[in-house]
Amino acid sequence: GAVVSQHPSRVICKSGTSVKIECRSLDFQATTMFWYRQFPKKSLMLMATSNEGSKATYEQGVEKDKFLINHASLTLSTLTVTSAHPEDSSFYICSAREFGQFPNEQFFGPGTRLTVL
Amino acid sequence: QKEVEQDPGPLSVPEGAIVSLNCTYSNSAFQYFMWYRQYSRKGPELLMYTYSSGNKEDGRFTAQVDKSSKYISLFIRDSQPSDSATYLCAMSEGNAGKSTFGDGTTLTVKP
Repeated sequence: GAVVSQHPSRVICKSGTSVKIECRSLDFQATTMFWYRQFPKKSLMLMATSNEGSKATYEQGVEKDKFLINHASLTLSTLTVTSAHPEDSSFYICSAREFGQFPNEQFFGPGTRLTVL
Repeated sequence: QKEVEQDPGPLSVPEGAIVSLNCTYSNSAFQYFMWYRQYSRKGPELLMYTYSSGNKEDGRFTAQVDKSSKYISLFIRDSQPSDSATYLCAMSEGNAGKSTFGDGTTLTVKP
């Protein structure tokens, strides 16, 4: 099956620093990638949708200047958390979809655990 | 009111039991219905999907959609300890674009 990787799997940083998370589709071309945030015992909260070569579409309430998303190629999207604060600590998960897949299947990465001290 | 409501659980059942997981929704435009399984500290993986109303069976898993009641279910027969995970329902209006997820139900199957 399709594989999506995320790097790093876990990151601890100091408040005020920026953190970049990479999401890669390993064996298919991802025309669309999604970035989610997941709180403990809560569901996936969609942050933004990115299509290769165009600007990301952010969900209401998500600060686009704080969560920078770049989808520069068909296999790579990055999420940069700028000037991170403790409230940004969370589990961030990306998913990818290939054009032409059966309806709406998203392949999820393993997630990145961000802890901001 | 949330668009998708999922029975919160947690559920704990003995091995071999039949498990029923359920979601309700309010958006009548939803046409695609999916169930994902998420193991601890992992990303979700698609388990089953259904288009419109009806049933779909895959091994020990059966997905049911009742659009008239805006209610979907996932049944697991002969549950196994390896089925212990969080199950998320998800729905979308079209075959492109975003899906809306339920909060998940955590299932534990005890040997």
